[in-house]
Amino acid sequence: DIQVTQSPSSLSASLGDRLTITCRASQSIDNWLAWFQQKPGKAPELLIYMASNLQSGVPSRFSGSGSGTDFSLTISSLQSDDSAIYYCLAYKNYPLTFGGGTKVEVK
Amino acid sequence: EVQLMESGGGVVQPGGSLRLSCEGSGFTLSDHYMEWVRQGPGKGLEWVGCSRNRHNGFTTQRAASVKDRFSISRDDSGNLLYLQMNSLKIDDTAVYYCVRYDVDAARYRLWGQGTLVIVSS
Repeated sequence: DIQVTQSPSSLSASLGDRLTITCRASQSIDNWLAWFQQKPGKAPELLIYMASNLQSGVPSRFSGSGSGTDFSLTISSLQSDDSAIYYCLAYKNYPLTFGGGTKVEVK
Repeated sequence: EVQLMESGGGVVQPGGSLRLSCEGSGFTLSDHYMEWVRQGPGKGLEWVGCSRNRHNGFTTQRAASVKDRFSISRDDSGNLLYLQMNSLKIDDTAVYYCVRYDVDAARYRLWGQGTLVIVSS
């Protein structure tokens, strides 16, 4: 089974900051990686799929990159609405594997 | 409106059983892979299992942690997905989400709102 290591587990940044969250898979998953945003009491929402494809309706300040084993989610200019927990998901094969999550606080 | 709606959650004693339902509206459930994902209180997301689409025979896969206790099935006539949970453990306490996988676009865009299962004596 593929293991996914997500880092950092939490971070605090200021409005307008650029921030990056990373996920590392234990073996190559090509581009089969997605990123989700989850706010308290809500279901996760898809941000990025196939490593770098921005889901329709998601602000362009979000971007994803990477392939193989190393991936990143970047928020180019942090907004107050971006306070949330972010998860990556490796989905090349079953079992699907989520990263442990990154809690983002906007100062 | 295209949406998923889970139901069937509740409080159950350890060792008990519960069946969750996920109803699709605005689309045909059988055309899609469907996943169950859960989230324990204050914890991250955990994949539980899947049901492949009609084209792939509705075959299922389950996480090792639930493989001998949970099963996934469908009711095509009702556009429904089920998660039958037996021999429930306290660690199964979680919000359970059903999720649609769009094979053509390779993405998990549609999630239900979740249903809460509490396993407690």
